[in-house]
Amino acid sequence: DAGITQSPRHKVTETGTPVTLRCHQTENHRYMYWYRQDPGHGLRLIHYSYGVKDTDKGEVSDGYSVSRSKTEDFLLTLESATSSQTSVYFCAISGGDLDGAQYFGPGTRLLVL
Amino acid sequence: AQSVTQLDSQVPVFEEAPVELRCNYSSSVSVYLFWYVQYPNQGLQLLLKYLSGSTLVKGINGFEAEFNKSQTSFHLRKPSVHISDTAEYFCAVSEYGGGSNYKLTFGKGTLLTVNP
Repeated sequence: DAGITQSPRHKVTETGTPVTLRCHQTENHRYMYWYRQDPGHGLRLIHYSYGVKDTDKGEVSDGYSVSRSKTEDFLLTLESATSSQTSVYFCAISGGDLDGAQYFGPGTRLLVL
Repeated sequence: AQSVTQLDSQVPVFEEAPVELRCNYSSSVSVYLFWYVQYPNQGLQLLLKYLSGSTLVKGINGFEAEFNKSQTSFHLRKPSVHISDTAEYFCAVSEYGGGSNYKLTFGKGTLLTVNP
């Protein structure tokens, strides 16, 4: 299994509070991604990174920001959590041309009350 | 822009029966294609991938998929399923090469339920 961990694994928070989710990899891969998974929508890309300090928006980036100060860590921040951000969040990594695939972490289940 | 359509949201089958999960994609450029499996309360696991070469791709757990460029399809098959194959299956596509930063577009998933 690819060395990807996510923390926390579960979180309950209140509307309006900031929340930060962490993704940590031990594979030294260049590319990292944050997705959210909701019933009926599959997985949707929030933000991604193609190198340290290099990030870009995905299809559902409103209300989210990211940072990547080290190769191994990719942080997702909900600036002011809303109930619509209740979801399961997955981090993924890719080595790019090494094999073209993405490998996923175990997920973080977030409930915003 | 690319898109992925998984034609069946749910597929119930009996144990030891064959199964096919259908996936069609649209893209204006060459693509990489993937199938992932998600067991309950777990992350996504790569089943198989098509990057280039032979259009018949074999993956883990006895699954295989065939890339059909003319029909823009990448259907997943298994000749004999087990109860343990019960899971949700996702088809995904990315643009060929590094220009897309290897971003994936996912289908909405197919829930495979294997009954005894």
